Amino acid sequence: TQLLEQSPQFLSIQEGENLTVYCNSSSVFSSLQWYRQEPGEGPVLLVTVVTGGEVKKLKRLTFQFGDARKDSSLHITAAQPGDTGLYLCAGERNYGQNFVFGPGTRLSVLP
Amino acid sequence: SQTIHQWPATLVQPVGSPLSLECTVEGTSNPNLYWYRQAAGRGLQLLFYSVGIGQISSEVPQNLSASRPQDRQFILSSKKLLLSDSGFYLCAWNRDRRNGYTFGSGTRLTVV
Repeated sequence: TQLLEQSPQFLSIQEGENLTVYCNSSSVFSSLQWYRQEPGEGPVLLVTVVTGGEVKKLKRLTFQFGDARKDSSLHITAAQPGDTGLYLCAGERNYGQNFVFGPGTRLSVLP
Repeated sequence: SQTIHQWPATLVQPVGSPLSLECTVEGTSNPNLYWYRQAAGRGLQLLFYSVGIGQISSEVPQNLSASRPQDRQFILSSKKLLLSDSGFYLCAWNRDRRNGYTFGSGTRLTVV
């Protein structure tokens, strides 16, 4: 079993639609990160959230850390083809420990 | 600015052959260095990490080993590859984990 679950596993939408992907666990995390990975490349950090209930915005992307610090969501408004990729969440079990990665949500935005 | 280089980009090796993947970081000193393997549908699995020269921690027992002969160089090796060693290998670095992991562009290894 994986420490972090991500849903949905796959998502295909039309350009302009909104979407939300989720990262869930039964464990509490000190912090959580979101990455986007394009085919044949390494993941690129999008955001780090630290405080329960924290909301961060990055242009059309909105990240939220659950109040209990066990889950997180990523909402994309008006998706564009450039948003296509694998979205990975990674959680820090205890401060200073290595982050654990979820299996990812593969997003495809069709023009 | 800091950059991370990883090579080769793709590699096809026969079963039983040795492996050496190299990763170097430029523009920083004393980085934390990591080797990950990524399998479809399972995210990134941490294989090894290093907080300094000669200091290697293994996360998963396996057919692979890692070495850090210089401050900014991290090498992933195997004496005899198995079919199950196929995958996408990523090197990464950071100074503070909460600032995120910076990944290389990966090596696609196919063992045949």
